Amino acid sequence: AQTVTQSQPEMSVQEAETVTLSCTYDTSESDYYLFWYKQPPSRQMILVIRQEAYKQQNATENRFSVNFQKAAKSFSLKISDSQLGDAAMYFCACLSNSGYALNFGKGTSLLVTP
Amino acid sequence: DTGVSQNPRHKITKRGQNVTFRCDPISEHNRLYWYRQTLGQGPEFLTYFQNEAQLEKSRLLSDRFSAERPKGSFSTLEIQRTEQGDSAMYLCASSLGAGRTDTQYFGPGTRLTVL
Repeated sequence: AQTVTQSQPEMSVQEAETVTLSCTYDTSESDYYLFWYKQPPSRQMILVIRQEAYKQQNATENRFSVNFQKAAKSFSLKISDSQLGDAAMYFCACLSNSGYALNFGKGTSLLVTP
Repeated sequence: DTGVSQNPRHKITKRGQNVTFRCDPISEHNRLYWYRQTLGQGPEFLTYFQNEAQLEKSRLLSDRFSAERPKGSFSTLEIQRTEQGDSAMYLCASSLGAGRTDTQYFGPGTRLTVL
């Protein structure tokens, strides 16, 4: 079984600043994948970034990057140059190589202030 | 719009009634997933289809829940004898099936309220 923990229910950042969202996970699998999804208010969930556990290099997608610490089972998301459109719920998720189900954390609500 | 679509977007029903939701995946995607999301929680996996075959089911999917994907295209999720605890957002996702971990694309969800 896998568990995903997001310890920050809410975070706030000023426009143009940088914010880091935390995520820890627990899995007995040796091969797995990690994801950050964004869910804007009343809109559908979209993939922000993904990381293969076997890759040591941290994934980056434009203003979004991760800090993947495999030994610590930590997978944080850094958003640089925050924009008003980044305001949303952010979910961390884990997928094992032996299954198809994404296991999600409870989410972090990100507020971006002008 | 060629994304995942779900109908209806909202459903209000009385306890004990049956409800059915529909999901239309992205056209070339052969994998389809159902999740349930309650307030303040992340989505929880319910079931998974590859083409028309239902390959994985969560223990959350009680015998009152049934899902089908008859021709490997759209899918339906039926809840019989609804209970207030079934109130939630029901999310559908699809993926191409190019690999085990291909990206899941989510629909807008169907919000169910059981009175």
